[in-house]
Amino acid sequence: AQSVSQHNHHVILSEAASLELGCNYSYGGTVNLFWYVQYPGQHLQLLLKYFSGDPLVKGIKGFEAEFIKSKFSFNLRKPSVQWSDTAEYFCAVNAIDFNKFYFGSGTKLNVKP
Amino acid sequence: EAGVVQSPRYKIIEKKQPVAFWCNPISGHNTLYWYLQNLGQGPELLIRYENEEAVDDSQLPKDRFSAERLKGVDSTLKIQPAELGDSAVYLCASSLGRGRFNEQFFGPGTRLTVL
Repeated sequence: AQSVSQHNHHVILSEAASLELGCNYSYGGTVNLFWYVQYPGQHLQLLLKYFSGDPLVKGIKGFEAEFIKSKFSFNLRKPSVQWSDTAEYFCAVNAIDFNKFYFGSGTKLNVKP
Repeated sequence: EAGVVQSPRYKIIEKKQPVAFWCNPISGHNTLYWYLQNLGQGPELLIRYENEEAVDDSQLPKDRFSAERLKGVDSTLKIQPAELGDSAVYLCASSLGRGRFNEQFFGPGTRLTVL
């Protein structure tokens, strides 16, 4: 079975610190890649997505992610986090051949003011 | 534009009872997904519809779970009978279709507690 690994389950940062959340997947075929965010009490929302082209993808609220095909990775980054970034972040992979989505287990980010 | 609507938001039942969840996707979205999300885990696909056809139900426990999407719009997910281990959040999502149109929009979920 395909898998998506998010190695950091819980991250605690102070405001203005830099963020990098890891995401690795196992599917060897063509993929679309996503990061979703779930703010406290809200539903899952799309943060950014990669379909093709430039492997560095910019999303909302200053987030970006880099697709490194050789490493099967799609890490999420933000240079300076804010308290309002406190949320749970999910990486998702769509295996194009099967149009099947696989989600990671999520990373809870807690930003201290 | 209205998002994905789910009801109820919360449901508490006793084991062996039946339960049903309802989802109304975003207008025009042909693809509808039902996911199960356990505490501390990411969503896991139960079933995917393209229009009214269930194109991927390989992860749906068919002995107790069933789903339908009549007329290719609203969908209902049913559990009968519910077991303690079914306590989870049930998410519905929709998308326009495949490829560049497969961005999923999620509803708020139904939190099921089985006592």
